[in-house]
Amino acid sequence: DQQVKQNSPSLSVQEGRISILNCDYTNSMFDYFLWYKKYPAEGPTFLISISSIKDKNEDGRFTVFLNKSAKHLSLHIVPSQPGDSAVYFCAASGSNTGKLIFGQGTTLQVKP
Amino acid sequence: ETGVTQTPRHLVMGMTNKKSLKCEQHLGHNAMYWYKQSAKKPLELMFVYSLEERVENNSVPSRFSPECPNSSHLFLHLHTLQPEDSALYLCASSQAGSGYSTDTQYFGPGTRLTVL
Repeated sequence: DQQVKQNSPSLSVQEGRISILNCDYTNSMFDYFLWYKKYPAEGPTFLISISSIKDKNEDGRFTVFLNKSAKHLSLHIVPSQPGDSAVYFCAASGSNTGKLIFGQGTTLQVKP
Repeated sequence: ETGVTQTPRHLVMGMTNKKSLKCEQHLGHNAMYWYKQSAKKPLELMFVYSLEERVENNSVPSRFSPECPNSSHLFLHLHTLQPEDSALYLCASSQAGSGYSTDTQYFGPGTRLTVL
């Protein structure tokens, strides 16, 4: 049973527009959520995180929103740039899991 | 060297070979992890070492054997692998407060393993 799901395997947006990547989870005990970005031939790099006590965290062009009642989080990138083209993974953890659980990833393509 | 490094970056081995993957972190972290990433699948946690002790073994077959000689180095010893073990193997580290739970993990570039 997959506890963290990214239902969109890919997303394509135009440069300058907003990219919205979505992630759903099933475990209500998750209390810490992260987004990682991965380029080909590189390991995932940490992008942004959010604790369950918040519903929004912003860092420059990147904003993560958390909707605990819907067990849903999203990553907004605005404005999108071609260099943002990569695979984005969401991950979640909680006191009862003790480890990060990753989603399958969403491939973002930002077209110039 | 900075961050988390992994060697080799690519490895091709036969099913009867014995090889080892190496990971080194230069971040002063106290927890290290091995993950497996197969095509179109989420990252799968294999092993966790916290303060050089193995604290997690995620039902990984015994043909994978981890070793953590100190807090900066992590090895994954491989023997008699199967073709389905072909994957990207990622190492990560974190500074765990009281264990390895919710801290941000920093990843190495991975080793692309092909088992023939």
